[in-house]
Amino acid sequence: DGGITQSPKYLFRKEGQNVTLSCEQNLNHDAMYWYRQDPGQGLRLIYYSQIVNDFQKGDIAEGYSVSREKKESFPLTVTSAQKNPTAFYLCASSIFVENTEAFFGQGTRLTVV
Amino acid sequence: AQSVTQLDSQVPVFEEAPVELRCNYSSSVSVYLFWYVQYPNQGLQLLLKYLSGSTLVKGINGFEAEFNKSQTSFHLRKPSVHISDTAEYFCAVSPNTGGFKTIFGAGTRLFVKA
Repeated sequence: DGGITQSPKYLFRKEGQNVTLSCEQNLNHDAMYWYRQDPGQGLRLIYYSQIVNDFQKGDIAEGYSVSREKKESFPLTVTSAQKNPTAFYLCASSIFVENTEAFFGQGTRLTVV
Repeated sequence: AQSVTQLDSQVPVFEEAPVELRCNYSSSVSVYLFWYVQYPNQGLQLLLKYLSGSTLVKGINGFEAEFNKSQTSFHLRKPSVHISDTAEYFCAVSPNTGGFKTIFGAGTRLFVKA
């Protein structure tokens, strides 16, 4: 079945550590996205990518980094510069970036310990 | 620029009762509109979308929404809810002029009580 796979489902990070969240899709979608979800705040866009080797900052990119070396993969690194990283992270993809519906992964819950 | 306001943060309702989740938006250009559902600790799933044409849109799980351009609203309705409809619902809007600018509302948590 086609879909988006995020791993791990739960992740614990110590203060000062970088961690990488995985996102893989087999939908052959060009566009991929990373969102952060906090209670009562909806979804906020971190980064998005329209094609391989290209990505754009979203509304809250500070403290995060991404890469898009393959069409299927869009990993997100939460760096030590992100002051409040505890959140639910959602990866999504769409056929192309122009305002089509997005397909979401199951999410990764990151907790700083 | 676009913005989305979901007018209720929480909506409690009894099983088999009707429900309406309200969404208003603002935009200087024409838009596409979406409703997504999120079950606990899961990703979002598309319920329905309005791109053009008929203003009454039917989606999965018996939900429907009506696009009202004059009132800039896109309210979600279901005539009879089930316990399994308990979830968080997100309204989203995108301009139809190209480029990526999808904006999500803050969400409405629907509680269906027995």
